[in-house]
Amino acid sequence: GIQVEQSPPDLILQEGANSTLRCNFSDSVNNLQWFHQNPWGQLINLFYIPSGTKQNGRLSATTVATERYSLLYISSSQTTDSGVYFCAVETWNRDDKIIFGKGTRLHILP
Amino acid sequence: DSGVTQTPKHLITATGQRVTLRCSPRSGDLSVYWYQQSLDQGLQFLIQYYNGEERAKGNILERFSAQQFPDLHSELNLSSLELGDSALYFCASSVLAGDGNEQFFGPGTRLTVL
Repeated sequence: GIQVEQSPPDLILQEGANSTLRCNFSDSVNNLQWFHQNPWGQLINLFYIPSGTKQNGRLSATTVATERYSLLYISSSQTTDSGVYFCAVETWNRDDKIIFGKGTRLHILP
Repeated sequence: DSGVTQTPKHLITATGQRVTLRCSPRSGDLSVYWYQQSLDQGLQFLIQYYNGEERAKGNILERFSAQQFPDLHSELNLSSLELGDSALYFCASSVLAGDGNEQFFGPGTRLTVL
């Protein structure tokens, strides 16, 4: 089945810093979403982005489907950005359905 | 708040027991998905229902089953529970069944099997 790899696995930054999180996938996908899992376990939708670029405040994302990767940019980090960021892809293969990466754990220091 | 509700929030039970987790999708959503998040396996897709019918199956054990009712709420039944079933169980919903549509997650049910 499809492989989804996220990097880096862990990231520690000072408040105010910028960061780029990457998601690579091994096959064509028809859907890609980015989620933030906060310290209380809630999964929060960030972007639904099978292709192209989207921005929402300090966050933006770009998916280059032909090259099989997506990037999540976080600018001017705040402590509330801490948590785990997941990339999830949906494939045409019904056996795979939706596959999550292992996530990037982000810790923002005050 | 995603609009997806799950009950209960927490559940503690013993090995060998059976439990039922409940999910109500967002208003207007016809698809419901179930996921399991454990420390060793990460987030895994279990099963999807669309408008009452099973649509896709993932890594769901035979001891687990699910259904979606006419009012579109869904239940995930876990039986003969084992210690390894302890995990966070998420439900998600989306408008369509077709490929390529956005899923919204509920707050999860944390299951602890002792």
